[in-house]
Amino acid sequence: DVKVTQSSRYLVKRTGEKVFLECVQDMDHENMFWYRQDPGLGLRLIYFSYDVKMKEKGDIPEGYSVSREKKERFSLILESASTNQTSMYLCATHGNRTDTQYFGPGTRLTVL
Amino acid sequence: SQQGEEDPQALSIQEGENATMNCSYKTSINNLQWYRQNSGRGLVHLILIRSNEREKHSGRLRVTLDTSKKSSSLLITASRAADTASYFCATLRYQKVTFGTGTKLQVIP
Repeated sequence: DVKVTQSSRYLVKRTGEKVFLECVQDMDHENMFWYRQDPGLGLRLIYFSYDVKMKEKGDIPEGYSVSREKKERFSLILESASTNQTSMYLCATHGNRTDTQYFGPGTRLTVL
Repeated sequence: SQQGEEDPQALSIQEGENATMNCSYKTSINNLQWYRQNSGRGLVHLILIRSNEREKHSGRLRVTLDTSKKSSSLLITASRAADTASYFCATLRYQKVTFGTGTKLQVIP
């Protein structure tokens, strides 16, 4: 089974802090995604990556950046956290031979 | 922008009843998928239906797809309390997956 892990389940940060959210997958999948989930808005795509060192903007990239130095790891970076970035962050992955996305457990980030 | 919109937003039924959720989308798609999310957790894939398919079954799940109306439905038969969760449709177009806003299902024992 595919395993997708996220570095933290819960995280509390202060406004202006730099925040790193890490996602690791163990299935050698090429594609990795970062979403945020907010009540009433569903999942919105922040960034995705099709390969190492490759990144593409999703629907709401403002205020975020990403890093993919290794195939199994995809990091989401909040350069200067703001209160409107308080949300549930979900990482997902899928291989080129399947369209099914596999999700991590999520990180609930609170920015005070 | 949201590609998929689920209807209803919330649904409450008795155990043993059937639950039907609908999804509408805006553009052409490669396939449509349904996912389930238990409270505060990640999403789990349930079923995928391709754009050239009209109906698909998996256990107690039945999915239909009408590409002319750009809509899909998910039917859960003989619901159980353990089916309580949020259900999301997701559309795939040019390798990009877009999720809807979800239907929150509560099954009362």
